[in-house]
Amino acid sequence: AQSVTQPDIHITVSEGASLELRCNYSYGATPYLFWYVQSPGQGLQLLLKYFSGDTLVQGIKGFEAEFKRSQSSFNLRKPSVHWSDAAEYFCAVQLDFGNEKLTFGTGTRLTIIP
Amino acid sequence: EAGVVQSPRYKIIEKKQPVAFWCNPISGHNTLYWYLQNLGQGPELLIRYENEEAVDDSQLPKDRFSAERLKGVDSTLKIQPAELGDSAVYLCASSFRAGSYNEQFFGPGTRLTVL
Repeated sequence: AQSVTQPDIHITVSEGASLELRCNYSYGATPYLFWYVQSPGQGLQLLLKYFSGDTLVQGIKGFEAEFKRSQSSFNLRKPSVHWSDAAEYFCAVQLDFGNEKLTFGTGTRLTIIP
Repeated sequence: EAGVVQSPRYKIIEKKQPVAFWCNPISGHNTLYWYLQNLGQGPELLIRYENEEAVDDSQLPKDRFSAERLKGVDSTLKIQPAELGDSAVYLCASSFRAGSYNEQFFGPGTRLTVL
């Protein structure tokens, strides 16, 4: 079955430390890949997206993600987290441009400690 | 530019009561989405509109859920009657369909609690 997996339900990171959030997908072909962030009481905000080309994509707020076809992964990274990065992060896929349905993972909650 | 507006932000009702959620998309956005987000889960698409037309409602439980988008702008999602399992956050999103990738912009959601 097609799916998006975020294996880490909750991650705690010290402020200033690096961050990596994992995302794996299971589809027959490479879908379009996204990372969204959801702060408490807020809607989802798009951090970055991958369609094709360079497998390392840059996003907003200093985030980047790397697409690895061999591992069916699209992990999100940030070299140094800030307290304001505490939020819920969702990986999502879209099968193709003709199908606008987004399928989300279950999310990873990020806690930042001083 | 104003974002996607949803109201109410919170709603508490007793089971078997009706409830309605309202969404005002970003001006000019012709595509509107309603998502359901259960606690600890990612959003799941309920229905997608292209202007006034519901082009994907395959995940909408039609026995109790209904939606409309009159005049292709605002939209209302209704549940009648509500059940305990309907407690969740209902998200609205909008995008401008221009033949290529269409970024979806999300509203803050309506948190529904059914007692």
